[in-house]
Amino acid sequence: GENVEQHPSTLSVQEGDSAVIKCTYSDSASNYFPWYKQELGKRPQLIIDIRSNVGEKKDQRIAVTLNKTAKHFSLHITETQPEDSAVYFCAASDDKIIFGKGTRLHILP
Amino acid sequence: DGGITQSPKYLFRKEGQNVTLSCEQNLNHDAMYWYRQDPGQGLRLIYYSQIVNDFQKGDIAEGYSVSREKKESFPLTVTSAQKNPTAFYLCASSTTTGIGSGSPLHFGNGTRLTVT
Repeated sequence: GENVEQHPSTLSVQEGDSAVIKCTYSDSASNYFPWYKQELGKRPQLIIDIRSNVGEKKDQRIAVTLNKTAKHFSLHITETQPEDSAVYFCAASDDKIIFGKGTRLHILP
Repeated sequence: DGGITQSPKYLFRKEGQNVTLSCEQNLNHDAMYWYRQDPGQGLRLIYYSQIVNDFQKGDIAEGYSVSREKKESFPLTVTSAQKNPTAFYLCASSTTTGIGSGSPLHFGNGTRLTVT
């Protein structure tokens, strides 16, 4: 079955700097790659997703890139703000969605 | 107001007792999922259902059971066979199902189960 690896597990960046979170997946049949943000005590919320026929997608300060050959995809957050502090999960899907273990992002003042 | 409702928010049980967690959605979604969340472990898939009266095991199904008698409902029973049942349980649903049709998950607010 699918296995998703996510790095780093914890990331601290200065406010205004960029943050990058990387994931790899094992199942070449996976074709849908969502990213979720979970704030403390709340449910995960979708922030961006990408399908396998697209190499990059951007939404304001958030972008995701996908390399199907290497089976890895990344989340990029630019101009980080305090409200970006949260746990971020990547996921890969063929018929079911499998998640990485998460990255705790700290935005330092 | 459409969404996914999980109840209760907090649940306490004695070891050896079965307990059922409720999940109801009014989004008319075909697929429903149960995930377990433990610190540092991410979200691990317990069971999922792509259509009424059908469901499949996820990565950690042992000690759990589900049913999908109605499109709107996907209850999860944590049995006494589950060795470490204390966790945060999240239910989710999505619009499309099947291979090649991934779509976003909509999550409920979760149930925190404590077994002592």
